[in-house]
Amino acid sequence: GENVEQHPSTLSVQEGDSAVIKCTYSDSASNYFPWYKQELGKGPQLIIDIRSNVGEKKDQRIAVTLNKTAKHFSLHITETQPEDSAVYFCAASIGSGGSNYKLTFGKGTLLTVNP
Amino acid sequence: EAGVAQSPRYKIIEKRQSVAFWCNPISGHATLYWYQQILGQGPKLLIQFQNNGVVDDSQLPKDRFSAERLKGVDSTLKIQPAKLEDSAVYLCASSPTGEQFFGPGTRLTVL
Repeated sequence: GENVEQHPSTLSVQEGDSAVIKCTYSDSASNYFPWYKQELGKGPQLIIDIRSNVGEKKDQRIAVTLNKTAKHFSLHITETQPEDSAVYFCAASIGSGGSNYKLTFGKGTLLTVNP
Repeated sequence: EAGVAQSPRYKIIEKRQSVAFWCNPISGHATLYWYQQILGQGPKLLIQFQNNGVVDDSQLPKDRFSAERLKGVDSTLKIQPAKLEDSAVYLCASSPTGEQFFGPGTRLTVL
């Protein structure tokens, strides 16, 4: 089955700096890669996703890049703010169309943004 | 739009007892997922429903876990009997097509 590795496990940055979280996946058939933000006591919330036919996607301060050859993808957060502090999870899935997506998650990265 | 609802939010039980969790997905979402999230780890899929049919339950410990989604809307996940290692947050998610929306989860502590 799919295996997703995520690094680093913890990341501390100063407010205004950039943060980068990296993930690798094992199954070359995976074609859908979402990123989730989880705050304490809450469920994961989707912040951005990318499909295998795209190399990069950006949404305001958040961007995701995908290298299919190397089987890795990264989350980039620019101009970090204290409210960005949370646990971030990457995931990979083989989407067969419709709603059939089986997500395999990484172990998470605890991001702390220091004011 | 109302999100995914789960109850209870917290549950403490003794080992060998039984427990049930309830999930109400976002209206109109055909696909429903149950995940187990152990402290310090990412969510792990237990079971996936498409309407009221099971799509994938390959990672569900069927000797003690069961789930149903009657009428293709609400779902319940049951553990009987519970073990210490079942202590975790149980997350429900629903999806229209692809993107999954998660509920707040139920934190289970087994003593």
